[in-house]
Amino acid sequence: AQSVAQPEDQVNVAEGNPLTVKCTYSVSGNPYLFWYVQYPNRGLQFLLKYITGDNLVKGSYGFEAEFNKSQTSFHLKKPSALVSDSALYFCAVRPPGGSYIPTFGRGTSLIVHP
Amino acid sequence: ETGVTQSPTHLIKTRGQQVTLRCSSQSGHNTVSWYQQALGQGPQFIFQYYREEENGRGNFPPRFSGLQFPNYSSELNVNALELDDSALYLCASSPPVGSYTFGSGTRLTVV
Repeated sequence: AQSVAQPEDQVNVAEGNPLTVKCTYSVSGNPYLFWYVQYPNRGLQFLLKYITGDNLVKGSYGFEAEFNKSQTSFHLKKPSALVSDSALYFCAVRPPGGSYIPTFGRGTSLIVHP
Repeated sequence: ETGVTQSPTHLIKTRGQQVTLRCSSQSGHNTVSWYQQALGQGPQFIFQYYREEENGRGNFPPRFSGLQFPNYSSELNVNALELDDSALYLCASSPPVGSYTFGSGTRLTVV
């Protein structure tokens, strides 16, 4: 069975500083990995995905994520945080076959302080 | 291209009632999934439809049922509502392999 772990319930960072939101996964085979962001009372918005290829994936709003197969991690990063980045972030993993149903992590609340 | 549209946006129901939530998928997407997101939790997978057939189901009881129509829109039906069914219900559509596009959700409150 596949699973996703987001070990931090909350991440606090000062505006302008780099941020990292952690994600580790467990799945059979080569994974499809995703990051989504959720603002209050809204659905999830797609940020980026890793399917294959370059381990460093660039996405929306200046976010990027690094796929590390040996550590089974897919951490979300941004070089310089903005107050407007404050939101709930979800990591998700999809298996490479079958019904492709993704599993989501519990989410990490990112708070960027002015 | 249009996104994913869900209706209604908010709903209040009484315990024991039945509810139907609706979702219009993004153009070109033939897979629709439904998720339940309780307060402070990540989305929990309910079921998925591909070309009008259910092709995956999460750990939800049979009183959660669904449909997908030929135009790939979808419905989620919940019978015999319980207080714990109160949550944000998210619909997402996708091509067979790729990222999901989520709707803004329906906030269901059961009293």
